[in-house]
Amino acid sequence: AQKITQTQPGMFVQEKEAVTLDCTYDTSDPSYGLFWYKQPSSGEMIFLIYQGSYDQQNATEGRYSLNFQKARKSANLVISASQLGDSAMYFCAMREDLMDSSYKLIFGSGTRLLVRP
Amino acid sequence: DGGITQSPKYLFRKEGQNVTLSCEQNLNHDAMYWYRQDPGQGLRLIYYSQIVNDFQKGDIAEGYSVSREKKESFPLTVTSAQKNPTAFYLCASGPTGKETQYFGPGTRLLVL
Repeated sequence: AQKITQTQPGMFVQEKEAVTLDCTYDTSDPSYGLFWYKQPSSGEMIFLIYQGSYDQQNATEGRYSLNFQKARKSANLVISASQLGDSAMYFCAMREDLMDSSYKLIFGSGTRLLVRP
Repeated sequence: DGGITQSPKYLFRKEGQNVTLSCEQNLNHDAMYWYRQDPGQGLRLIYYSQIVNDFQKGDIAEGYSVSREKKESFPLTVTSAQKNPTAFYLCASGPTGKETQYFGPGTRLLVL
């Protein structure tokens, strides 16, 4: 079965510094996708970044980058130049394909990030 | 503006009562999903639908029911058979294929 593991329940980072949130995954499928979502206190899940298993380069979206190490089955999120508004829960998720060509997301337990001024 | 709306924001259920959570999207997405989130945990899939008038059970469908009569709408009913319904419920939609899912603002369900 596919599984996502986030081993950091909570993280602190100083404003303007970079921070790495860890994510490891387990799957036997050669084709998969990895996602990161941000969940602020309001509860909405905000899509941040996506990495496909066959993508040659690490994904980047503004201040977010994904450190994809396929052999180690890790997909860590790097946030550069942290801002106070980055304080939130962060979830790593993996796409699991379903029988009818649809897919579902498998989520990790999340990491709570607090940015200190 | 395009997006996903969920209502109500908060919902209270009495014992033995069925309640329905609304989810509407105007993104023209084919696929819609319902997830449940318990405190300190990630999301788990309840039901999903790829097309109108068709839907499939997810990992934790027991005690829930859905309908998909319109492309834009995917309401979730929490029935009295769901013995532990207190949770945060998130609706998502996405284009058919391998792209990401986009989430609504969620509904918090509490049992009185």
